[in-house]
Amino acid sequence: DVKVTQSSRYLVKRTGEKVFLECVQDMDHENMFWYRQDPGLGLRLIYFSYDVKMKEKGDIPEGYSVSREKKERFSLILESASTNQTSMYLCASSGWDRGISYEQYFGPGTRLTVT
Amino acid sequence: KQEVTQIPAALSVPEGENLVLNCSFTDSAIYNLQWFRQDPGKGLTSLLLIQSSQREQTSGRLNASLDKSSGRSTLYIAASQPGDSATYLCASLGGMYSGGGADGLTFGKGTHLIIQP
Repeated sequence: DVKVTQSSRYLVKRTGEKVFLECVQDMDHENMFWYRQDPGLGLRLIYFSYDVKMKEKGDIPEGYSVSREKKERFSLILESASTNQTSMYLCASSGWDRGISYEQYFGPGTRLTVT
Repeated sequence: KQEVTQIPAALSVPEGENLVLNCSFTDSAIYNLQWFRQDPGKGLTSLLLIQSSQREQTSGRLNASLDKSSGRSTLYIAASQPGDSATYLCASLGGMYSGGGADGLTFGKGTHLIIQP
């Protein structure tokens, strides 16, 4: 079974702090993704990566950065946390199927509260 | 920009009924469509993936269909059980971010399903 793990289930941080959310997958997937989920807005893509050291912006990259130094690990960084970044953060990974990103598998999520 | 809509937003049915959840998308140029289940406070569990060249996929009591020309997908759940209660999400993969095959999903807002015992 594909396993995607996230470093924390719950996190509470203060405004202005630098926050790191870590995601690790064990299926040797090339593609990794970060989404956030908010009531009424659904899931929105923040960033994704299709290879080590590569990154692409999604719908809402402002206020976030990412790092992918190893294939199995994808980090989401909040440079200076703000209250509007309070949300559920979900990481996902997928492999390739004939040049197309295949089925995405999700981690359990990190519920981040910024006070 | 791709938009994915799910109707109804909420559904409550007695145990044992067969039911259909609907998903529509505005841009038919998708690579694939994926159905997920989400339990409260949890991550997403992948249920079915339909490639753009396929018409349907089946897994146990679940059957998902895809009609690209009309921009629609349905998830059919047979003989529903209380354990099926969850939020069901559909998501399309369409190359809208990178222009290529590596891309993020565009999600609908989900159908919250309650199966009454």
